[in-house]
Amino acid sequence: NAGVTQTPKFQVLKTGQSMTLQCAQDMNHNSMYWYRQDPGMGLRLIYYSASEGTTDKGEVPNGYNVSRLNKREFSLRLESAAPSQTSVYFCASSVDSGNQPQHFGDGTRLSIL
Amino acid sequence: GDSVTQMEGPVTLSEEAFLTINCTYTATGYPSLFWYVQYPGEGLQLLLKATKADDKGSNKGFEATYRKETTSFHLEKGSVQVSDSAVYFCALILGGGTSYGKLTFGQGTILTVHP
Repeated sequence: NAGVTQTPKFQVLKTGQSMTLQCAQDMNHNSMYWYRQDPGMGLRLIYYSASEGTTDKGEVPNGYNVSRLNKREFSLRLESAAPSQTSVYFCASSVDSGNQPQHFGDGTRLSIL
Repeated sequence: GDSVTQMEGPVTLSEEAFLTINCTYTATGYPSLFWYVQYPGEGLQLLLKATKADDKGSNKGFEATYRKETTSFHLEKGSVQVSDSAVYFCALILGGGTSYGKLTFGQGTILTVHP
């Protein structure tokens, strides 16, 4: 079972470059999320999509955009990468946006020089 | 706002030792509580959950009880193994209001178990 699949697994960018992180889930979940993980800070929510066609800001949305392409796919875009965006990014999904457990991908490790 | 506080790490134990990782929370409503585990190079996996006061979540020998009176959800295991070495995250989620569906995480506790 694939669950939540993220691509790429690793990426190095230069300051000012743009890129899109891809996420797909095969569990027919309605809700999807993007988090970043930084040392000593746990995971912080960037954006989420409660259902297909809707997106909302999380705790740390500045510098990011998202697209809920369809029910399966939820992408995260960095338009002009900054060193402060060096982090590990996780995508997650859940049955709905209530109190259901979220299922996580293996992460994308992003370094911005 | 909502928050989760975990005990400072890292925690280092010998195999078969007893484990406790403390977790307390602050929330405006009635959250559901979770423990997630992250093995090196992997994403987070749900370890156990509890959705209301006095519920006990359990999985793979780990247990945690939702204590509303002390706003706590401490993780325990009676006998740890080397394979339990990982980072453990306590988290809460509220089922309504502006925090609907948003997981709030603690900072994580690194556990290392030696043979």
